[in-house]
Amino acid sequence: GIQVEQSPPDLILQEGANSTLRCNFSDSVNNLQWFHQNPWGQLINLFYIPSGTKQNGRLSATTVATERYSLLYISSSQTTDSGVYFCAVVNFGNEKLTFGTGTRLTIIP
Amino acid sequence: DTEVTQTPKHLVMGMTNKKSLKCEQHMGHRAMYWYKQKAKKPPELMFVYSYEKLSINESVPSRFSPECPNSSLLNLHLHALQPEDSALYLCASSQVLQGNNSPLHFGNGTRLTVT
Repeated sequence: GIQVEQSPPDLILQEGANSTLRCNFSDSVNNLQWFHQNPWGQLINLFYIPSGTKQNGRLSATTVATERYSLLYISSSQTTDSGVYFCAVVNFGNEKLTFGTGTRLTIIP
Repeated sequence: DTEVTQTPKHLVMGMTNKKSLKCEQHMGHRAMYWYKQKAKKPPELMFVYSYEKLSINESVPSRFSPECPNSSLLNLHLHALQPEDSALYLCASSQVLQGNNSPLHFGNGTRLTVT
């Protein structure tokens, strides 16, 4: 099956810093989503982005499908940004969303 | 607030108990999912329903039994669970199956402990 690797696995930043999270995948995809799981376990869908660039407030994401990677940018980090960020993909001909390994982000006040 | 509602939030059950997890969505979505998540791991797919029919069963043990009574409701019936089944159980929904342009929306989960 498709492999989805995220980096870095852990990231600790001061409040106000910017960060870039990366998601690499091993096959062509027609569906890519970024999720944030807060410390209480709630999973929030941040972006549906199989290709191109999207922005939502302090967050933006870019997927370069031909090179099989996606980036999530977080600017001016806040403590509420802490948690685990997952990317998840579906490759062509499949119906199942495969989750990546996750990046655990900790924002220190 | 999430638009996918799961109850209960927490559940403690013995290995001989029978219990059910419930999930409800009113977004008109026709695909609904059960995921299991262990600590520090990504969610793992268990079951998928599409238009109220079971579409995917990821070889889940029969002690987990899903049910989709209508397009808004999804249940997971639990019987004779093992302590290793303790996990966060997440329900999700999407307009249609994930092979199409269809973002996934998760509920807040049920944290299950089997004693």
